[in-house]
Amino acid sequence: DAGVIQSPRHEVTEMGQEVTLRCKPISGHNSLFWYRQTMMRGLELLIYFNNNVPIDDSGMPEDRFSAKMPNASFSTLKIQPSEPRDSAVYFCASTGGTAYNTEAFFGQGTRLTVV
Amino acid sequence: DAKTTQPNSMESNEEEPVHLPCNHSTISGTDYIHWYLQLPSQGPEYVIHGLTSNVNNRMASLAIAEDRKSSTLILHRATLRDAAVYYCLSGGSNYKLTFGKGTLLTVNP
Repeated sequence: DAGVIQSPRHEVTEMGQEVTLRCKPISGHNSLFWYRQTMMRGLELLIYFNNNVPIDDSGMPEDRFSAKMPNASFSTLKIQPSEPRDSAVYFCASTGGTAYNTEAFFGQGTRLTVV
Repeated sequence: DAKTTQPNSMESNEEEPVHLPCNHSTISGTDYIHWYLQLPSQGPEYVIHGLTSNVNNRMASLAIAEDRKSSTLILHRATLRDAAVYYCLSGGSNYKLTFGKGTLLTVNP
């Protein structure tokens, strides 16, 4: 398997524009996570899906952020409208079970810059 | 999830063992202890995890204190490629992996 695949790797957008980040988890994995990483706040869990269903979105910063998982092989994280403070590296991760007792695989991340 | 405490940074010499400590004094009985590393400009990578007993894999060893309030990640022979940020996490009986600040490991040639 190619691992967790995220696209794009880099995104530069203007404030107010819509941004969509994409993630393809490892085939057969049933849990998917979106994280955000900044120097100030480190790695923050944004949302967790299990079997394509959002289980916990308490980490989503505000209504401008939304995430979907229409099927087991694809997830999106959308920011609309984007703001400069959304600039960060966004990681997607997947596991074959609950993350607490198994290995989580992370993608290479999407570096988002909002100007 | 139990809060974990790690030193901000550590330094080692190449080919010497490295012991990375982690305190998780509020850990519950069902919390696993996980270690991940992160290289610059890359996503976190799994290193090892355990519950009560010490664990070994091809990358490292995990020594868990008898009271489980602390653990140590052991890299038996540090290489330059081991220079990274190492995160200790206490995964609760839920799904969450909550990352702290981690320990920045520098390996000197």
